Amino acid sequence: QKEVEQNSGPLSVPEGAIASLNCTYSDRGSQSFFWYRQYSGKSPELIMFIYSNGDKEDGRFTAQLNKASQYVSLLIRDSQPSDSATYLCAVRNTDKLIFGTGTRLQVFP
Amino acid sequence: EAGVVQSPRYKIIEKKQPVAFWCNPISGHNTLYWYLQNLGQGPELLIRYENEEAVDDSQLPKDRFSAERLKGVDSTLKIQPAELGDSAVYLCASSLVGGTQYFGPGTRLTVL
Repeated sequence: QKEVEQNSGPLSVPEGAIASLNCTYSDRGSQSFFWYRQYSGKSPELIMFIYSNGDKEDGRFTAQLNKASQYVSLLIRDSQPSDSATYLCAVRNTDKLIFGTGTRLQVFP
Repeated sequence: EAGVVQSPRYKIIEKKQPVAFWCNPISGHNTLYWYLQNLGQGPELLIRYENEEAVDDSQLPKDRFSAERLKGVDSTLKIQPAELGDSAVYLCASSLVGGTQYFGPGTRLTVL
């Protein structure tokens, strides 16, 4: 079992829709959770982080964490073609950050 | 504020040749990371420095890879000799201790 699992996609959604990206992790001791966006040929850039169970909202983005289910998700409201990228889930335990393989999101006009 | 700087951005070498990558972290960030990213995969940690000390190098293939961060600021990652399977993107990231990691643009290495 991989430490951080994501569906590789692609996830295709129409412009204006909600995109839902999911991630599961295996280590119950994980302390914090990150979502990075990576455009093709570019480096990962941080979108959001979350430490506590529940929802955390930032603009069009909402991160959701359920530690009991070892599940973290990212919702993107009003998806735009410019949101088309690979979204990497990362989980931190002590000082080590473990990345998933990423989910490719395609937003079509 | 300048972000993480890496050079070169691209490097093409023949197998068995040496190669070196350079990273300058965000000013004030005492933790520096080197990651390897293969196509379609997430970044994988090679080595982590806190100041000039390598605190996690368990995933660094020490037979051919080496790294240094002599003055606790800039860092160099070296491969000698390079193999075909080393073709990947090498990412440098930095953070405050326990803080959020910010990535540089990466070096895309092609080994022929």
